[in-house]
Amino acid sequence: KQEVTQIPAALSVPEGENLVLNCSFTDSAIYNLQWFRQDPGKGLTSLLLIQSSQREQTSGRLNASLDKSSGRSTLYIAASQPGDSATYLCAVRPMDSNYQLIWGAGTKLIIKP
Amino acid sequence: GAGVSQSPSNKVTEKGKDVELRCDPISGHTALYWYRQRLGQGLEFLIYFQGNSAPDKSGLPSDRFSAERTGESVSTLTIQRTQQEDSAVYLCASSLAGPGATNEKLFFGSGTQLSVL
Repeated sequence: KQEVTQIPAALSVPEGENLVLNCSFTDSAIYNLQWFRQDPGKGLTSLLLIQSSQREQTSGRLNASLDKSSGRSTLYIAASQPGDSATYLCAVRPMDSNYQLIWGAGTKLIIKP
Repeated sequence: GAGVSQSPSNKVTEKGKDVELRCDPISGHTALYWYRQRLGQGLEFLIYFQGNSAPDKSGLPSDRFSAERTGESVSTLTIQRTQQEDSAVYLCASSLAGPGATNEKLFFGSGTQLSVL
């Protein structure tokens, strides 16, 4: 059974730092891996989607990598800003009969001005 | 509309009552999902609609939960005889294409916070 884990559960860093959020999954048979951010009182916003054949995706200051063989993905945020404060969730799309997204519990990120 | 709309944004109900949650997806999106998110936890898949196909109900936790979708538009999630453990945020998402497609990017509504007293 696919399981997705995100460590740490919470992270607080000063503004301007580069940081890495981690996501691990137990079964490498996936279609894709997706990163989202969730702001309090709002829905989720899709950030990056990495297909299983890809190694990374970039959008602005965000870069997500995927290593299927080791069951790991990282989300790199460059030059962090207070507006980056949110909960970041990763999810994998498994290659099984159900193929519904399996979600991690998220990393709550606080960027201190 | 411009995005996925959910109503109500908050719902407080008494144990044993029925509740109905509504989702208006983005126009043209054939795929629609319902998720549940308990405090401090990841999203839990409930049900998935794709066009006029039979829905994937494999995530519904009990027969008290049901959902309908009219064509490729509005969906309603109904919880009968609510229990305290049903308290959670219920999120709806839609996408242009179904799971595994290259354009399966999900767009989420703001959710309905359900509190069962």
